[in-house]
Amino acid sequence: DGGITQSPKYLFRKEGQNVTLSCEQNLNHDAMYWYRQDPGQGLRLIYYSQIVNDFQKGDIAEGYSVSREKKESFPLTVTSAQKNPTAFYLCASSTTDRGSEAFFGQGTRLTVV
Amino acid sequence: AQTVTQSQPEMSVQEAETVTLSCTYDTSESNYYLFWYKQPPSRQMILVIRQEAYKQQNATENRFSVNFQKAAKSFSLKISDSQLGDTAMYFCAFMKHGEYGNKLVFGAGTILRVKS
Repeated sequence: DGGITQSPKYLFRKEGQNVTLSCEQNLNHDAMYWYRQDPGQGLRLIYYSQIVNDFQKGDIAEGYSVSREKKESFPLTVTSAQKNPTAFYLCASSTTDRGSEAFFGQGTRLTVV
Repeated sequence: AQTVTQSQPEMSVQEAETVTLSCTYDTSESNYYLFWYKQPPSRQMILVIRQEAYKQQNATENRFSVNFQKAAKSFSLKISDSQLGDTAMYFCAFMKHGEYGNKLVFGAGTILRVKS
């Protein structure tokens, strides 16, 4: 079945450690996105990529990094510079057509202790 | 910058009744798309309905319809014959197509509870 897979579903890390969240899609989509979800704030865009080897900062990119070496994969690293990393992270993908629907993964809940 | 405002943090409705969720947005763009997404307790985001700003006709998908008022920058979602499975967080979203592709901007969400 086509879709987006995020792993792991739950992730625990100690403060000061970098952690990488995985996102893989088999929908043949060119565009991929990372969002952060906090209670009462909706989804905020961290990074997005429209093509392999290129990506753009979203609204809250500080403390995060990404890579896009393959069309299918868009991993997100939460670095120790991110001041409040505990959140729910959602990955999405879409075509690059105007108005195209974004398909979402099931998310990763990151807890930093 | 585009902003999306959902002024109702929580709403409840009786099964089989109709409910309307509000959304306003701010943009200087003339061509854009608007979306409603649903996030049930499983947290899987699902597209409910989509509207292109150039289309005057309001979008409809089965029990879901929108009231799109472009001049007022308003995009409300009406759910008819509410069902227990409609219980979810609903997000209004604005999409801009720019130099670096599509960007979706979300509102804070409205929690909808359907009661039996």
